Amino acid sequence: TQLLEQSPQFLSIQEGENLTVYCNSSSVFSSLQWYRQEPGEGPVLLVTVVTGGEVKKLKRLTFQFGDARKDSSLHITAAQPGDTGLYLCAGAGAGSYQLTFGKGTKLSVIP
Amino acid sequence: DADVTQTPRNRITKTGKRIMLECSQTKGHDRMYWYRQDPGLGLRLIYYSFDVKDINKGEISDGYSVSRQAQAKFSLSLESAIPNQTALYFCATSDVLGETQYFGPGTRLLVL
Repeated sequence: TQLLEQSPQFLSIQEGENLTVYCNSSSVFSSLQWYRQEPGEGPVLLVTVVTGGEVKKLKRLTFQFGDARKDSSLHITAAQPGDTGLYLCAGAGAGSYQLTFGKGTKLSVIP
Repeated sequence: DADVTQTPRNRITKTGKRIMLECSQTKGHDRMYWYRQDPGLGLRLIYYSFDVKDINKGEISDGYSVSRQAQAKFSLSLESAIPNQTALYFCATSDVLGETQYFGPGTRLLVL
């Protein structure tokens, strides 16, 4: 069974601060995705990373896939209240059509 | 209009009752999924379907059944609901590659 460990589980920061969320596994994934979920809604895909060492930027969000494709990080620069939500990482195993989800990081950005 | 819709959005039922949660999609995807989300446990896969004739059990299928009535419709049934099935249930779809999933808004279920 492939497991994804996310840390921290909860994060509360002031507007303007930077933060990093981690997603780690002992398993290799063919791709890894980050989703954001807001209260009362389903998760929405932010990014998919496929290549080891890959870095993708989405405005103030920077996503990195580890060289060995076992881990990933999400860095947010100058967090804003609109970034508040539950961030989920999900990995797809080689040849597998199922996603394994981490338990999520609940982020609160205080104005 | 939303691409993936779920009904009902909220449901309260009693132990032992049979209930059905419905999911419809307009994305034209063949693959559909049912997950449940519990605080501190993340999203766990209940059932998934690659097409109308292909239905597979996920990680936690016990106590649940599904029906794929058409490419666009995938329903989840709890034959005899129990309190530990209280959770947030999500339907999702994906294209043939299966890596990007599109989620519905969820159904919040409370079993008393």
